[in-house]
Amino acid sequence: AQSVTQPDIHITVSEGASLELRCNYSYGATPYLFWYVQSPGQGLQLLLKYFSGDTLVQGIKGFEAEFKRSQSSFNLRKPSVHWSDAAEYFCAVGRNTDKLIFGTGTRLQVFP
Amino acid sequence: GAVVSQHPSRVICKSGTSVKIECRSLDFQATTMFWYRQFPKKSLMLMATSNEGSKATYEQGVEKDKFLINHASLTLSTLTVTSAHPEDSSFYICSATLIGGRTLETQYFGPGTRLLVL
Repeated sequence: AQSVTQPDIHITVSEGASLELRCNYSYGATPYLFWYVQSPGQGLQLLLKYFSGDTLVQGIKGFEAEFKRSQSSFNLRKPSVHWSDAAEYFCAVGRNTDKLIFGTGTRLQVFP
Repeated sequence: GAVVSQHPSRVICKSGTSVKIECRSLDFQATTMFWYRQFPKKSLMLMATSNEGSKATYEQGVEKDKFLINHASLTLSTLTVTSAHPEDSSFYICSATLIGGRTLETQYFGPGTRLLVL
């Protein structure tokens, strides 16, 4: 069955610290992979995506993610977190059906 | 650009009544709109795919008579929760895709509608 797992429900980091949000997936073929961010009152915003090619992808707001086929993972990273990064982060997978399968999300809290 | 709005942002209704939620693409035309439902601490679950001028395609387990979807124009899709019950309380999110775009790349999400049925 197709699924996405985000093992960390809630993560707290200090401003300026590095961040890694985990995402593992189960899919029949190499999927398209996405990270979205959801802030209160805002729609989901696409941070980055992987379709093919270079397995390290750069996104907006200083985020990057690395696709590791052997580990079925697509972890999101940021070297230095800002207070404005506090939000809910969702990993998602999809393919030609155009249907996205979302993980349960990770809530990021940033302390000054 | 590529903004999607939803109205209302939150609604409280009595059990047995119907509630309509609107999803609009404000500055682009959308061939396809998607409706999702999000439970607390759960992922977004796709409910249905809505194409302008045709019937919506519902995911397995979603009652089409309970959740009526109409996509009357290239900028508006509506979700009507008919005879709502407390178990229908949830966060409903829509997304829209640009005409000519590859859906997975150009899916833009609305801010969501919080429905509470008493």
